[in-house]
Amino acid sequence: EVQLVDSGGGVVRPGGSLRLSCAASGFTFDDYGMSWVRQVPGKGLEWVSGINWNGGSTDYIDSVKGRFTISRDNAKNSLYLQMNSLRAEDTALYYCARVDTGYNWNDGALGYWGQGTLVTVSS
Amino acid sequence: EIVLTQSPGTLSLSPGERATLSCRASQSVSSTYLAWYQHKPGQAPRLLIYGTSNRATGIPDRFSGSGSGTDFTLTISRLESEDFAVYYCQQCGSSPITFGQGTRLEIK
Repeated sequence: EVQLVDSGGGVVRPGGSLRLSCAASGFTFDDYGMSWVRQVPGKGLEWVSGINWNGGSTDYIDSVKGRFTISRDNAKNSLYLQMNSLRAEDTALYYCARVDTGYNWNDGALGYWGQGTLVTVSS
Repeated sequence: EIVLTQSPGTLSLSPGERATLSCRASQSVSSTYLAWYQHKPGQAPRLLIYGTSNRATGIPDRFSGSGSGTDFTLTISRLESEDFAVYYCQQCGSSPITFGQGTRLEIK
């Protein structure tokens, strides 16, 4: 059974940093692209970042470029999101998600999702 | 960036009725890269439809997708109580990946 377990969320002050993790199991991790998607409370889904199977290619939405870094450790079956210079507007529930099929994050739909980890940026 | 606009924002229907949800793209989207998700409070989003019209594993056949170019539709043929949720369309053929703003399907 495919499982994605998100962790690392918490409360942080504006300008602070946080590292999210996603532990994957039940599938061959390095066969798939991965993404981070967030949901601001009461709002819709927003794709944040994606990474290909070996970490050699990544993509971000403009609002997080230069502040967030996506990475993966295939030996540990883990996905990460390093978030620096956090802003109030980054407050959201962050989900990791696996592409349904394919080595790249944009090869297709997001077939599997973690349960989410909440990030709150507040002074 | 491809903007996806969903309509209506809220749809009020009764169990047993048919639901038709629309997703319009600001630019043409390859049918391979258009998907639909169901999202309930406190749960992770669930993939319903990929490649415009293909049901994901375990999705009942009352859910169907159609469309091409800039206009896509999710149809639920006969609503059941567990279908009341928020539905999102998504495109992944152009960077960045984008979602529609969602359609809330509520019980009338």
